[in-house]
Amino acid sequence: DQQVKQNSPSLSVQEGRISILNCDYTNSMFDYFLWYKKYPAEGPTFLISISSIKDKNEDGRFTVFLNKSAKHLSLHIVPSQPGDSAVYFCAASSYGQNFVFGPGTRLSVLP
Amino acid sequence: NAGVMQNPRHLVRRRGQEARLRCSPMKGHSHVYWYRQLPEEGLKFMVYLQKENIIDESGMPKERFSAEFPKEGPSILRIQQVVRGDSAAYFCASSPGATMGSPLHFGNGTRLTVT
Repeated sequence: DQQVKQNSPSLSVQEGRISILNCDYTNSMFDYFLWYKKYPAEGPTFLISISSIKDKNEDGRFTVFLNKSAKHLSLHIVPSQPGDSAVYFCAASSYGQNFVFGPGTRLSVLP
Repeated sequence: NAGVMQNPRHLVRRRGQEARLRCSPMKGHSHVYWYRQLPEEGLKFMVYLQKENIIDESGMPKERFSAEFPKEGPSILRIQQVVRGDSAAYFCASSPGATMGSPLHFGNGTRLTVT
């Protein structure tokens, strides 16, 4: 039973354009959502998060949107850069405890 | 300020041997999580520990796997009698505690290969 889903295994975007990565969850108890970026042979790196009391959080080129009624969140990267090419994981937790990760989306930013 | 430290980075074991993976959390972090990533798959939760306590081990296989986080020293993930299917990347993460707004910080993982 996958509580956090990322239905696109991969995404290719042209440099300078917007990248939109999507994530859906099933557990309504989740109240904290995060995005991580992972390069090969490295650990995941925290990018940005959002709590359930907000619907948007922005940090530089990265913006996360949360739609609680749809149990959906998305990560927007604009403008996309070749260095953004990595696997992106969506994660969710409830009460700051167990963090559940999605299967990841591989983003390729083409020069 | 050192991040989460995992060692070894690479570990090769023959079938039937024991594997011990170590994790030192970030300074000031008292909560440790272990995740496993099989090839071409996502991060699967294994176990969540506080100092001297296992909080949630619902993701741990029932046999051969154990974890501890002693009062002093690193957290240890132990796999006894390893099999080929245990070959994976094992990631440790830490956080300051179970409060919302505290993301997990990950180490660079231990890549276990069972031959």
